[in-house]
Amino acid sequence: DSGVTQTPKHLITATGQRVTLRCSPRSGDLSVYWYQQSLDQGLQFLIQYYNGEERAKGNILERFSAQQFPDLHSELNLSSLELGDSALYFCASSVGGSPQETQYFGPGTRLLVL
Amino acid sequence: AQKVTQAQTEISVVEKEDVTLDCVYETRDTTYYLFWYKQPPSGELVFLIRRNSFDEQNEISGRYSWNFQKSTSSFNFTITASQVVDSAVYFCALSEAGRYGGSQGNLIFGKGTKLSVKP
Repeated sequence: DSGVTQTPKHLITATGQRVTLRCSPRSGDLSVYWYQQSLDQGLQFLIQYYNGEERAKGNILERFSAQQFPDLHSELNLSSLELGDSALYFCASSVGGSPQETQYFGPGTRLLVL
Repeated sequence: AQKVTQAQTEISVVEKEDVTLDCVYETRDTTYYLFWYKQPPSGELVFLIRRNSFDEQNEISGRYSWNFQKSTSSFNFTITASQVVDSAVYFCALSEAGRYGGSQGNLIFGKGTKLSVKP
């Protein structure tokens, strides 16, 4: 158990809908990362937050947004969902968000868009 | 541009065989960090090891060992006397320091190598 929690574990929804994925980092970690794992693209970095502020953006679509709250939990919002958004979404956390730190991953949220 | 290549898509071995998973990386940074993660069939990503670019010492942890060679930009992972429980997808990843003057630490992953260990 990494100490990172993600809810829900599974999500099935329809095209055009909006969903919210939630992540709680390990106790003491200030930085949260979101990654998407799909069969064709592999594991891709979406966005990073540090202590409530956005720090880095990767290949995140404009239809996707995220935030980190004062209690350090984070939410990833996916809107106008398309079939291609079906993937496993991981949240990871690290202490300070620096490159040398180990990122610990949550169990993931498996999203299926029908 | 930064990149991680795991050329072996799938490897199948019989229990007790040794197996090496290859990882080749590309980066223009002089300071960077390399990682290996394991993704068992249950789906979670489990951290295995971190290595920084200034430390080329090989590391051994039980049946696992890692060989880092800057000259060939490789960070290979060997499992000795493989077991069925080693069956998983293994990912090599890279993070770079100071690319944007800040301390963002996103990981760049390879495509992964699926290891099947048969009894």
